[in-house]
Amino acid sequence: NAGVTQTPKFQVLKTGQSMTLQCAQDMNHEYMSWYRQDPGMGLRLIHYSVGAGITDQGEVPNGYNVSRSTTEDFPLRLLSAAPSQTSVYFCASSWTGSTEAFFGQGTRLTVV
Amino acid sequence: GQSLEQPSEVTAVEGAIVQINCTYQTSGFYGLSWYQQHDGGAPTFLSYNALDGLEETGRFSSFLSRSDSYGYLLLQELQMKDSASYFCAVGSFISSGSARQLTFGSGTQLTVLP
Repeated sequence: NAGVTQTPKFQVLKTGQSMTLQCAQDMNHEYMSWYRQDPGMGLRLIHYSVGAGITDQGEVPNGYNVSRSTTEDFPLRLLSAAPSQTSVYFCASSWTGSTEAFFGQGTRLTVV
Repeated sequence: GQSLEQPSEVTAVEGAIVQINCTYQTSGFYGLSWYQQHDGGAPTFLSYNALDGLEETGRFSSFLSRSDSYGYLLLQELQMKDSASYFCAVGSFISSGSARQLTFGSGTQLTVLP
């Protein structure tokens, strides 16, 4: 099983550019989420989805969009990259009602 | 909103026992989990407590007291490979319905010395 697959692993963007971070899971999990991790600040929730067609904002949603057209995929879009969005991004999935989340390997994003 | 507090750093020697505490404030609480993250890696699930008491999984145990909004992770017979960051995470329901969040603490960096 592949589990949760994130691409790319590394990315450098210029300020103002847009891009999409891809996330796919093959465990048929209903719940998927995106976190960003900055030094000393743990994991902060950006957006989450409880199923196909349903998304909602987390703690730090500004500057990011998501969609969930299928159970498997949950892409994260940066609309206009800013240096403050330099971070490590993790996608995670889990069964509804479970706190056992499975994480992708992360995307290290640098915005210059 | 949700808030979690855990120590930022803990240091212990190989073979020792260490306890990492976590206190939380949240509404709609349904469980407390612990995750381990090695440098450069992804968080991996360690344990989950929904009810009060102790859950044991090998060298690791996790405890929850819902009335005190408090939990801890106990690591026994420490090994060098246990050096990592440990995060507590609270599962909570948002308003009504099934919408929910998993909120992480800032993490505790555990250093195991030889």
